[in-house]
Amino acid sequence: DAGVTQSPTHLIKTRGQQVTLRCSPKSGHDTVSWYQQALGQGPQFIFQYYEEEERQRGNFPDRFSGHQYPNYSSELNVNALLLGDSALYLCASSLEGVIEKLFFGSGTQLSVL
Amino acid sequence: EDQVTQSPEALRLQEGESSSLNCSYTVSGLRGLFWYRQDPGKGPEFLFTLYSAGEEKEKERLKATLTKKESFLHITAPKPEDSATYLCAVQAVSGGSYIPTFGRGTSLIVHP
Repeated sequence: DAGVTQSPTHLIKTRGQQVTLRCSPKSGHDTVSWYQQALGQGPQFIFQYYEEEERQRGNFPDRFSGHQYPNYSSELNVNALLLGDSALYLCASSLEGVIEKLFFGSGTQLSVL
Repeated sequence: EDQVTQSPEALRLQEGESSSLNCSYTVSGLRGLFWYRQDPGKGPEFLFTLYSAGEEKEKERLKATLTKKESFLHITAPKPEDSATYLCAVQAVSGGSYIPTFGRGTSLIVHP
């Protein structure tokens, strides 16, 4: 049983560019959450998708957007990249309404130069 | 606003030297407190969920406990493979939100 998979693993971009990160949830999971983790910090919630809609959003600007497909996979898009967007981006999957635990992918390490 | 404070930020132990990590939290109403382990360059891996004060959970050399204001992760006779960052997160009852708030973590290094 494949867990949560994310691609790419590493990415280097320059300021002002746009980036798309991808996530496939654990088999059987229908809810995908995205987190940003800066070096030495805990994961910060970006948004959550369920039934192809953004259900909740953290304190992130509109430059951060997402999408969920009918197969539950998800994308995170970031426009007009800033140096401060450099971080590990984590995708976590779960079953709707089940709060016990999140299953995280290994993340995408984004560097903005 | 939900807050989670973990201490110490970093901890170095000798193999076999037991210790505890602390997670202090402030929430309007606790729905659940979670402990995760994170290895460098990887995503967090779930360890425990605690729901109410007095609850304890154990897994190998780890034991998590919960009071009304804090949680402890006790590490008994640690081994080098226990080296990792340990994250604490809380989930509040109010607002119907299922989004956990994470602390900054404690970086644990166990020397052989």
